[in-house]
Amino acid sequence: QITLTQQAESLWISPGERVSITCRASQSLLYTDGNHYLSWYQQRPGQTTKALIYHASVRTDGVPTRFIGSGSGTEFTLSIEHVQPEDFAIYYCLQTLKSPYTFGAGTKLELK
Amino acid sequence: EVQLQESGPGLVKPSQSLSLTCSVTGYSITSNYWGWIRKFPGNKMDWMGYISYSGNTNYNPSLKSRISITRDTSKNQFFLQLNSVTTEDTATYYCVRSYYGYNFDYWGQGVLVTVSS
Repeated sequence: QITLTQQAESLWISPGERVSITCRASQSLLYTDGNHYLSWYQQRPGQTTKALIYHASVRTDGVPTRFIGSGSGTEFTLSIEHVQPEDFAIYYCLQTLKSPYTFGAGTKLELK
Repeated sequence: EVQLQESGPGLVKPSQSLSLTCSVTGYSITSNYWGWIRKFPGNKMDWMGYISYSGNTNYNPSLKSRISITRDTSKNQFFLQLNSVTTEDTATYYCVRSYYGYNFDYWGQGVLVTVSS
């Protein structure tokens, strides 16, 4: 199965800063249709899990433009520009290229 | 608006079966893909499987023959059954819509299931 590695378990930042969360796959997530099957999710306590990015760089409807997905092949990044107080949460990457679908271990954004 | 809501027992004894229901409103489960995901203590996420718009299923091999996902289209619900549970199955269970298989765009709130005698 494909392994996703999120190196940072936690990242400490201040509101207004920019942060990047990385996700590395054990094999390329590029499919023959030209899309990368890598998506990003946000989990906050007491809230439903929010889908942020799919196909590595496409924002889900309603997601603020400060959330930016990038990357290709095996290396992917979720960047958040001008972090807002509501962005302190756990972020997961997920691959849906091959079954079984697999998640990264998660990166927790914490207030510095 | 699409909404999903999990329901079921919060406590299951070891060796018994875990059964959960996901009730969907705002969208028909005869379209798209519908799945189950769990989050273990310590935050590890585990994809369990899905049932498609046509009723086909796909399961995580790690669950071997313990898992079954079924549906009742008349009630717009789908179900998870996990047999022979152990304490290692203690987790928060989420139902999700998997938009054409590539974006898990709607999630339920999750239900904590504890396996304990």
